[in-house]
Amino acid sequence: ETGVTQTPRHLVMGMTNKKSLKCEQHLGHNAMYWYKQSAKKPLELMFVYSLEERVENNSVPSRFSPECPNSSHLFLHLHTLQPEDSALYLCASSQEVESLLASQFFGPGTRLTVL
Amino acid sequence: LAKTTQPISMDSYEGQEVNITCSHNNIATNDYITWYQQFPSQGPRFIIQGYKTKVTNEVASLFIPADRKSSTLSLPRVSLSDTAVYYCLVGGRPQWNFVFGPGTRLSVLP
Repeated sequence: ETGVTQTPRHLVMGMTNKKSLKCEQHLGHNAMYWYKQSAKKPLELMFVYSLEERVENNSVPSRFSPECPNSSHLFLHLHTLQPEDSALYLCASSQEVESLLASQFFGPGTRLTVL
Repeated sequence: LAKTTQPISMDSYEGQEVNITCSHNNIATNDYITWYQQFPSQGPRFIIQGYKTKVTNEVASLFIPADRKSSTLSLPRVSLSDTAVYYCLVGGRPQWNFVFGPGTRLSVLP
């Protein structure tokens, strides 16, 4: 238990569906992150939020839309996804965006399958 | 960003010491070396971080030579539950601007 929870843990959706992934951290951190991990590919950073403001968008397609309503919650809204978007989506948090890597705590991830 | 190179996979037996070496020839002066462990369908978990020489915690040791162009993660007396992918990352602040490599898939056999 890392203090970062993600729901749902598994999601199957069609290409025309709209769904959202939720992340919540109970650590009092100010920075939150979304990562994508595809099969047989390295972990990829998608978005970085600091105090509810986005500080990094790592060339992510617009069909992925993040939202950070407060420092404890992070959402990833999904629409018109492609099968190649099937992956494990991981959320992480850290005290500050300037923190050393050691202080990043990852959630368990959401396994997304796009049909 | 410093690029890292690790073996793709390693096999070991229970009770043995495992050493995984990572090469990072273009490491910068302000870069730290960090190792993460990841089990299937879980998020990465921090193992250890260091800058130079040797760092030890309750889980592992990290050896860094003087030129810092490589590092070795040492896992003492591994068990079956240590079967996982181990990632070596190199970077300075802000460390979210880093690149995960493919990691080393460690298989511990009985």
